[in-house]
Amino acid sequence: GAVVSQHPSRVICKSGTSVKIECRSLDFQATTMFWYRQFPKQSLMLMATSNEGSKATYEQGVEKDKFLINHASLTLSTLTVTSAHPEDSSFYICSAREAESYEQYFGPGTRLTVT
Amino acid sequence: QKEVEQNSGPLSVPEGAIASLNCTYSDRVSQSFFWYRQYSGKSPELIMSIYSNGDKEDGRFTAQLNKASQYVSLLIRDSQPSDSATYLCAVNMNVGSGYSTLTFGKGTMLLVSP
Repeated sequence: GAVVSQHPSRVICKSGTSVKIECRSLDFQATTMFWYRQFPKQSLMLMATSNEGSKATYEQGVEKDKFLINHASLTLSTLTVTSAHPEDSSFYICSAREAESYEQYFGPGTRLTVT
Repeated sequence: QKEVEQNSGPLSVPEGAIASLNCTYSDRVSQSFFWYRQYSGKSPELIMSIYSNGDKEDGRFTAQLNKASQYVSLLIRDSQPSDSATYLCAVNMNVGSGYSTLTFGKGTMLLVSP
């Protein structure tokens, strides 16, 4: 149980384009989903928290107009990186949590390369 | 600022030995603690959760929690080369408005040599 999927696993895009990443909880209902970013050899950095049906809460320094998050259902959240630039190249990882639980389960991550 | 501290390592142990990973946290009211394993280039995988003081065992893993000392540890018995990874300590912390998030330590790299 507690399986989270992400799609795509890898994406290469040109500077200025937008990329959408999907995160799905496959066998449980995720009332809360989290989006993290991890640069090489660095620790996980929480970007935003999204609760189903609500606006996402962004961490300080994360541009909400650049990283659009939608959590329209209990099994799906999306992150759209708008007008991507090379400095946005990173490993983006989502996690999901059920109601009344503190355990977070991570998706396999999406490696984004912006050329 | 609420923090989770871990020694970055690497912690090197021979195969078959016990690996001991430590973590301290600053938020006294935290009640939920987790250990994640992250292989290079992969996402974190939850391996242990602990909520009460004392020890919790799951196979070769034992998590230990001491809330008074704000200290949580992970013991790996009979370490295997496949245990070589970065181990992340995570503490659930309230961020207001009824929400909570995990605060992660920077992780300890474990190297198990054959």
